[in-house]
Amino acid sequence: QKEVEQDPGPLSVPEGAIVSLNCTYSNSAFQYFMWYRQYSRKGPELLMYTYSSGNKEDGRFTAQVDKSSKYISLFIRDSQPSDSATYLCAMSAETSGSRLTFGEGTQLTVNP
Amino acid sequence: DTGVSQDPRHKITKRGQNVTFRCDPISEHNRLYWYRQTLGQGPEFLTYFQNEAQLEKSRLLSDRFSAERPKGSFSTLEIQRTEQGDSAMYLCASSPEWPEAFFGQGTRLTVV
Repeated sequence: QKEVEQDPGPLSVPEGAIVSLNCTYSNSAFQYFMWYRQYSRKGPELLMYTYSSGNKEDGRFTAQVDKSSKYISLFIRDSQPSDSATYLCAMSAETSGSRLTFGEGTQLTVNP
Repeated sequence: DTGVSQDPRHKITKRGQNVTFRCDPISEHNRLYWYRQTLGQGPEFLTYFQNEAQLEKSRLLSDRFSAERPKGSFSTLEIQRTEQGDSAMYLCASSPEWPEAFFGQGTRLTVV
């Protein structure tokens, strides 16, 4: 079983929709939770990160972490065609800067 | 500074040949990471440097793989006696402070 599970999609939504992306994990030692966006043939781009449980909002993006359920989510409000990309969750058990464990990514398409 | 730079962007090599990739991190980022990403999967951790010291290596990094970061600036990743299973995107990331990690565009390796 993978440490981080993410539904690969694909997910297709109309412009303006609220998008919900999710990951589950099995390693209770994970403390940092990140969301990356990756456009085709590009490197991943860090969107936001949270530490431990709770919510974090940045513009149209909201990240939620529920450590009791080992479940994290990314919500995108008022989705735009430019949001079409693969979204990767990533987690780390370290506090001093070591490896990230990624999900396999969810491919999102926002249709105009 | 325009970000993490990787060279080459694409590499096609014959099975059994050696290849070397270069990564130039964002200046003053003392942490540098190598990841490997295959199609439809999230990046997998390979190795991590803090300055010139290689602090962690994944078991994915077989004895055919070697990474260096002389003088704590650029890094190289060498694969000896390439195999078809080595075909992947090799991503480099640098970090000024955990958990922010900035990825380059990657080097796409095709072994024929």
